[in-house]
Amino acid sequence: EPEVTQTPSHQVTQMGQEVILRCVPISNHLYFYWYRQILGQKVEFLVSFYNNEISEKSEIFDDQFSVERPDGSNFTLKIRSTKLEDSAMYFCASSEETGDRADTQYFGPGTRLTVL
Amino acid sequence: GENVEQHPSTLSVQEGDSAVIKCTYSDSASNYFPWYKQELGKRPQLIIDIRSNVGEKKDQRIAVTLNKTAKHFSLHITETQPEDSAVYFCAASSNDYKLSFGAGTTVTVRA
Repeated sequence: EPEVTQTPSHQVTQMGQEVILRCVPISNHLYFYWYRQILGQKVEFLVSFYNNEISEKSEIFDDQFSVERPDGSNFTLKIRSTKLEDSAMYFCASSEETGDRADTQYFGPGTRLTVL
Repeated sequence: GENVEQHPSTLSVQEGDSAVIKCTYSDSASNYFPWYKQELGKRPQLIIDIRSNVGEKKDQRIAVTLNKTAKHFSLHITETQPEDSAVYFCAASSNDYKLSFGAGTTVTVRA
């Protein structure tokens, strides 16, 4: 069964550095998402992406965040200047289009980001 | 924005007993309610979902009920087994693009 994959599984970075988290969504899916989960807290929505543009973003997704689909398979989340509070598990998800709406979201295994 | 509350935060049940997790939501426009199971160190996996045009959905030992008037929905697991031990998250969405999650329930099934 096809699955969403994410790399790396764990990223350690220094505060102020840029990081790029990578995701490969399920191949026939058209909707892509990033969520994050700070340790011990709930999963929080960051951004959704469809047809090469952001369809919705949360207040967390400020100017230091950006997303890109650089080719036909990858979907990336860039954090320009990391802060200590960006330490979290970052989940990518994807869903296919059913009719005129997005269907079930399938999650990747996550990237644990640690900012020192 | 949508606020999803989930209770209890932890639940311990004897193998074979039932487990019930309850969630409430705030946005009356929400119309899609999935439940995810997350085992330690693994990805969240969808176990069941319900849309607002139905009040109940069942899949083998798992069922979800929805009360749109009261804005709450529940997950029921019957005949629990040790492999049901995991963290369960409820979520709600009004537009299919953004899921708002509850805080999670850690379920432990005692053998």
